[in-house]
Amino acid sequence: GAVVSQHPSWVICKSGTSVKIECRSLDFQATTMFWYRQFPKQSLMLMATSNEGSKATYEQGVEKDKFLINHASLTLSTLTVTSAHPEDSSFYICSASGRVGQGNEQFFGPGTRLTVL
Amino acid sequence: AQSVTQPDIHITVSEGASLELRCNYSYGATPYLFWYVQSPGQGLQLLLKYFSGDTLVQGIKGFEAEFKRSQSSFNLRKPSVHWSDAAEYFCAVGGVTGFQKLVFGTGTRLLVSP
Repeated sequence: GAVVSQHPSWVICKSGTSVKIECRSLDFQATTMFWYRQFPKQSLMLMATSNEGSKATYEQGVEKDKFLINHASLTLSTLTVTSAHPEDSSFYICSASGRVGQGNEQFFGPGTRLTVL
Repeated sequence: AQSVTQPDIHITVSEGASLELRCNYSYGATPYLFWYVQSPGQGLQLLLKYFSGDTLVQGIKGFEAEFKRSQSSFNLRKPSVHWSDAAEYFCAVGGVTGFQKLVFGTGTRLLVSP
């Protein structure tokens, strides 16, 4: 149990286009989902926290108009990178939590590698 | 603010040898501490966690970690490393609600030599 999927696993896009990444909790209801960004050989940096049905809470320095997060259901959250530029190239990882009795443990998706040309 | 330091960027261990990965944290209250493992191109898998109680915690895959408040440390250990343990290991500290608002260290890459 506690499986989180991401789609796509990798994507290449042209500069200026938008890219949508999906994060799904496959076997549990995720009341909270988190989006992280990981640069090569660096740690994960939390970008935003989203609760189902609410606006996402962004970390300091993360542009909310550039990284649009939607958490419309208890099993799906999406991250849209708008007007992507090469500096947005990174590994994006989502996690989901919400299992009662699990101490709100975060379960991580496999990540999406975004390359912007 | 919370912070996590993993002083070793990478470590090479011979297969069958013991392993210790270091982690130091900074947090004002009793911390919630975690170790995650990340294989290339994949997401994170929780190895073990410390919330309270026994300071020596057992995890999956034969790993254990010991919480030492006096040293602000939560080092990860394994008595005998297998080649499949080669991966990136992240220590993390959580806030008052445990898993929420995780702050990760910069990671230690483990290489296993034959």
